[in-house]
Amino acid sequence: DSGVTQTPKHLITATGQRVTLRCSPRSGDLSVYWYQQSLDQGLQFLIQYYNGEERAKGNILERFSAQQFPDLHSELNLSSLELGDSALYFCASIPGPIVFYNEQFFGPGTRLTVL
Amino acid sequence: AQKITQTQPGMFVQEKEAVTLDCTYDTSDQSYGLFWYKQPSSGEMIFLIYQGSYDEQNATEGRYSLNFQKARKSANLVISASQLGDSAMYFCAIPGDFQKLVFGTGTRLLVSP
Repeated sequence: DSGVTQTPKHLITATGQRVTLRCSPRSGDLSVYWYQQSLDQGLQFLIQYYNGEERAKGNILERFSAQQFPDLHSELNLSSLELGDSALYFCASIPGPIVFYNEQFFGPGTRLTVL
Repeated sequence: AQKITQTQPGMFVQEKEAVTLDCTYDTSDQSYGLFWYKQPSSGEMIFLIYQGSYDEQNATEGRYSLNFQKARKSANLVISASQLGDSAMYFCAIPGDFQKLVFGTGTRLLVSP
């Protein structure tokens, strides 16, 4: 158990819908990262938050947005869903923003299926 | 920008044998780290081992060890005494800007009895 929790574990929805994925980082971790794992794109970084503020953006679509709340949990919102958004979405957390860490732990992931 | 190359899409090994999974990397950073993760069929990403670029010794964690060759920019994972439960995808990763991880395409390992 990495200490990072994600809900829901599975999500099945239809094209055009909107979903919210939730992540709770390890206790004390201020940085949250979101990654997408799809068959055609592999594992891709989406976005990072540190202590409530957006720090870095990767290949995140405009239909996707995220935020980190005062209690440090984070949500990834996916809207106008398309078939190609079907993927495994991970979050990971580390204690700080840019200090070098020798471990990065991932949550169990949310498997999104868009029908 | 950082890049990870894993050239072995799949590897087969018999139980109790050792196997090496290849990883080469590209980075302009002077100080960096390399991570290896295991992803079983259940989907979770399990952290295995870490190697810092300035670590004098190759990293080891139980049956996992890293064959780190800095001049060749390679960080191969060695699994000794393979077990059936080692069958999984294995990813090599390097931190990029803001410590986001850049992953390779992965190697699928199948361990046969």
